Amino acid sequence: DAGITQSPRYKITETGRQVTLMCHQTWSHSYMFWYRQDLGHGLRLIYYSAAADITDKGEVPDGYVVSRSKTENFPLTLESATRSQTSVYFCASSETSVGKNIQYFGAGTRLSVL
Amino acid sequence: DAKTTQPNSMESNEEEPVHLPCNHSTISGTDYIHWYRQLPSQGPEYVIHGLTSNVNNRMASLAIAEDRKSSTLILHRATLRDAAVYYCILRPPRHSGNTPLVFGKGTRLSVIA
Repeated sequence: DAGITQSPRYKITETGRQVTLMCHQTWSHSYMFWYRQDLGHGLRLIYYSAAADITDKGEVPDGYVVSRSKTENFPLTLESATRSQTSVYFCASSETSVGKNIQYFGAGTRLSVL
Repeated sequence: DAKTTQPNSMESNEEEPVHLPCNHSTISGTDYIHWYRQLPSQGPEYVIHGLTSNVNNRMASLAIAEDRKSSTLILHRATLRDAAVYYCILRPPRHSGNTPLVFGKGTRLSVIA
């Protein structure tokens, strides 16, 4: 069974530091997504990618950078972490076949910015 | 994306059926109805989806109203492991997997032993 892996699972950092959250999937899915989940807001889309070297902004992209040099990896970087970026981050991937419009999520990274 | 409305919370006894409702009165003719759930401290997971006909899989059943303005996710025998937040999400088919999911607040299901 294929999988989607996020690392680290937990991260504590300080305001102003750069942090990179990793996401790796073994399905070779074209689409990958980053969401954040905060109490009272549910999951919100940060960035997504349709293929290697193709990325697009979501609902809350400010303060984040993504890259996708390989299909299987989609790292999310907080260039200068702020307390408001304390959240749980979920990565997801998706097939592109019509009728297979299903997203598969990682276990999440819990980030605390002090 | 069309909006869905779900109760904030529901409670069920273990081993009893659970019917989780979702209203989507502004659904378009081609929108699919998807259900995801999120177990505590985990990422969301796909449960089931359908267009017009009722659907069954190993996890649950999906009953879709004839006018498609509402649907019900049915867990036939709730277990403690089914305690989660359940999300009803409408998905336009034309995007074929590239549309990000738009999550509402969902329904928090509690299962009592």
